[in-house]
Amino acid sequence: DGGITQSPKYLFRKEGQNVTLSCEQNLNHDAMYWYRQDPGQGLRLIYYSQIVNDFQKGDIAEGYSVSREKKESFPLTVTSAQKNPTAFYLCASSIVDPDTQYFGPGTRLTVL
Amino acid sequence: DAKTTQPNSMESNEEEPVHLPCNHSTISGTDYIHWYRQLPSQGPEYVIHGLTSNVNNRMASLAIAEDRKSSTLILHRATLRDAAVYYCILRDDHNNAGNMLTFGGGTRLMVKP
Repeated sequence: DGGITQSPKYLFRKEGQNVTLSCEQNLNHDAMYWYRQDPGQGLRLIYYSQIVNDFQKGDIAEGYSVSREKKESFPLTVTSAQKNPTAFYLCASSIVDPDTQYFGPGTRLTVL
Repeated sequence: DAKTTQPNSMESNEEEPVHLPCNHSTISGTDYIHWYRQLPSQGPEYVIHGLTSNVNNRMASLAIAEDRKSSTLILHRATLRDAAVYYCILRDDHNNAGNMLTFGGGTRLMVKP
């Protein structure tokens, strides 16, 4: 089945540690996105990539980093510089000129 | 990006129609109106989108005002599985600058059995 996967579903880390969230898609989509969602809030864009080896900052990129070495993969690293990393992280993908973004199931990160 | 305004929450009875409103008075001529919904603890899913004409698909209908300053998402028969947060989003689909979606707070739809 084609789709977008994120792992793990739940992730716990100690304060001060970097952590990498996985996002993989087999939809052959060029564009991929990372969003953050806080309780009761809408989604906010962290980073996006329209093509392999290229990515741009979204609205809240500080404290995060990404890479796009392969079309199907767009991992997000939450660094120790991110002041409030506990949140629900959502990855999405789309064809470059799409009607639709397809979202993964999300990773809930808790920093203790 | 033009902003949208939605009620924070709405209630509906199961098997009755639901009309979810969205105001977008500053919409530009090239902004498309997109609707997504997010079920609890899941990623959002696409529902429908349109530009000027009313649109129908298997999930819902989208009614767009003649002046395009408001729109209404219509679920013809609400089920318990339609309980979700519904987001109304404007996106300039002619501007291929990342195809980003800007999510507001959305409307939390509660469906009563």
